[in-house]
Amino acid sequence: KQEVTQIPAALSVPEGENLVLNCSFTDSAIYNLQWFRQDPGKGLTSLLLIQSSQREQTSGRLNASLDKSSGRSTLYIAASQPGDSATYLCAPTNSGYSTLTFGKGTMLLVSP
Amino acid sequence: ETGVTQSPTHLIKTRGQQVTLRCSSQSGHNTVSWYQQALGQGPQFIFQYYREEENGRGNFPPRFSGLQFPNYSSELNVNALELDDSALYLCASSLAELEGPYEQYFGPGTRLTVT
Repeated sequence: KQEVTQIPAALSVPEGENLVLNCSFTDSAIYNLQWFRQDPGKGLTSLLLIQSSQREQTSGRLNASLDKSSGRSTLYIAASQPGDSATYLCAPTNSGYSTLTFGKGTMLLVSP
Repeated sequence: ETGVTQSPTHLIKTRGQQVTLRCSSQSGHNTVSWYQQALGQGPQFIFQYYREEENGRGNFPPRFSGLQFPNYSSELNVNALELDDSALYLCASSLAELEGPYEQYFGPGTRLTVT
């Protein structure tokens, strides 16, 4: 059974800092891994998807890396802004049709 | 291109009642998954439908049931509601095809409160 852990659970930083959010998973036989953002009480917004054959993906100020063999992914946020404040969730899938397994997320607060 | 939509936005029910939540998949998607997210937790998988057939189920009792329609919209039904069913219910759609990558797109969720 896949289990996902995200560290830290919460993070508070001043605007402009570069951040690293960590995600680890127990079953390395994943098909892909998605990073999501969730604003309080809202649905999930897909940020990045990394396929198992890829090492990283970039979108704007976001960069996600994947080390399948060690069961780790990191989300790097450059030059953080107050609008980045949200909970960030990572979720691997273990087969193409399969489901996402989520951790509890990292709650990020960026202060002006 | 229309995103994933869910209705209603909020719902209050009494313990023992039944509820139906609805989801419209993103245009062109053939797979829908439902998740339950309790306060402070990550979403938990309930079940998935692919081309109107259940394609997988999480650790939820049979009183959680679903349907997927020919237009790929979906319903989640919960019978005999319990207080612990209070949560945000999320629907996600994706396009299942041989080449992947099976990226999943979520709707805004339905907040269910059971009193």
